[in-house]
Amino acid sequence: GAGVSQSPRYKVAKRGQDVALRCDPISGHVSLFWYQQALGQGPEFLTYFQNEAQLDKSGLPSDRFFAERPEGSVSTLKIQRTQQEDSAVYLCASSATGTEQYFGPGTRLTVT
Amino acid sequence: GNSVTQMEGPVTLSEEAFLTINCTYTATGYPSLFWYVQYPGEGLQLLLKATKADDKGSNKGFEATYRKETTSFHLEKGSVQVSDSAVYFCALSESSNQGGKLIFGQGTELSVKP
Repeated sequence: GAGVSQSPRYKVAKRGQDVALRCDPISGHVSLFWYQQALGQGPEFLTYFQNEAQLDKSGLPSDRFFAERPEGSVSTLKIQRTQQEDSAVYLCASSATGTEQYFGPGTRLTVT
Repeated sequence: GNSVTQMEGPVTLSEEAFLTINCTYTATGYPSLFWYVQYPGEGLQLLLKATKADDKGSNKGFEATYRKETTSFHLEKGSVQVSDSAVYFCALSESSNQGGKLIFGQGTELSVKP
């Protein structure tokens, strides 16, 4: 079945590089969420879209993090000038109803 | 702010043992509560949910009851299997005007030995 997909699955970046992480939600899902999961921790909320509108970006840790969903479907999370503390798994989830979220496999980002 | 606290792991059990993973929460309003499971090498999957007080969520032999008086949502299973080895996350969903973003506990790793 067509679940949430994310690419790339793994990304290694040198400190200072920019990265872009892609999320393809389940077709027709209005809501899209990004989370950051550090090693051994639970996911932490980054940002939320309803269609193309970014309604909540309170979890973005700094202005180096930017997310967009221009056509209300695919979303991209961009991290500029990556730092070692950005190393984590980035999870995308989508939802039709706003209650039950379906998660993608995540992108593991390692900053060296 | 809203938060979720889970018992620390790892939890190691023998097959067919009884499982309890404690979860308590702090929230304003009336959140929905969830248990998610992450099997080795896989993404997060919803295991069960409860949307109001006294609701019981259940799936695959797992159960959890939404207890408002004790602000708890403990996960239980009567007889665990090796295949239940995974990391379990308790989560709450904030009010719908925030789109239902999830707040997770830190996760509890379960290891079931044959």
